[in-house]
Amino acid sequence: GEDVEQSLFLSVREGDSSVINCTYTDSSSTYLYWYKQEPGAGLQLLTYIFSNMDMKQDQRLTVLLNKKDKHLSLRIADTQTGDSAIYFCAERQAGTALIFGKGTTLSVSS
Amino acid sequence: GAVVSQHPSRVICKSGTSVKIECRSLDFQATTMFWYRQFPKQSLMLMATSNEGSKATYEQGVEKDKFLINHASLTLSTLTVTSAHPEDSSFYICSASLQGGHWPSYEQYFGPGTRLTVT
Repeated sequence: GEDVEQSLFLSVREGDSSVINCTYTDSSSTYLYWYKQEPGAGLQLLTYIFSNMDMKQDQRLTVLLNKKDKHLSLRIADTQTGDSAIYFCAERQAGTALIFGKGTTLSVSS
Repeated sequence: GAVVSQHPSRVICKSGTSVKIECRSLDFQATTMFWYRQFPKQSLMLMATSNEGSKATYEQGVEKDKFLINHASLTLSTLTVTSAHPEDSSFYICSASLQGGHWPSYEQYFGPGTRLTVT
C-alpha cells in the first residue's frame, strides 16, 4: 500500500537553510505536496510539484523530486523563527485523497 | 483564496454524548469534502470522503455508525461523533475540494481543525 516517510525532527539556526526529506512508495503518485501546520492550527499548502517535474522554486522554498528513488525534499532558504512548525509531505493520484507522512517538526533557534 | 471553516474549534464533552462538527466552504462550492483525524505528533489519517448528495465513503477501520457524515449541500459537511469515548479525543480536520478532487492538483483546502476532548 501507499506509505510516506519523513524524519520526525529538524533543528536549525535562524538564517541557515533547512532541508526536510520525504520518501514515498506509490510510484503512480501524480502530485506531491508540502504542507505546514502551526501549533493548534489546520494545514497550509506551501507548495506542490507534479510528478513529471524535477524541481520547483517559489521564493524561499525549493522542492526537489527524484522520481527514480521516490524521494522528495523541501529546502527553506534563510530560515526564520516563524518557519517553526510541522511540515507534512503528502502524495496523491488524480481524484484521490491525500496520503500524508507523519510530519517533520522544524525548530528554529535564534 | 478559498476558505474552509470548521465549527467549533474546540469542544469538550462527556463520555457517551454525541458531538457534531461542521465544515463549511465559505466562498466556493465543494463537491467533495474529506475528513481527517490527527493524533498528537501523528500524521493525518483519512477517515472518509464525503460527496454532496451521496453517502460518504469510509476508510478501512473507520466505523461509519460511530462517525456519521452528512454532506447535505455544496458548502456544508458535518461529522457527528456518536456515543463519544475518551479514545475519540483527537484533532479532526476537514478539507474541501473545488472540483470533486480532480484537476487542478492544488484545489484541496483545509479547515483549521476541531479539537475534541472526551472526558
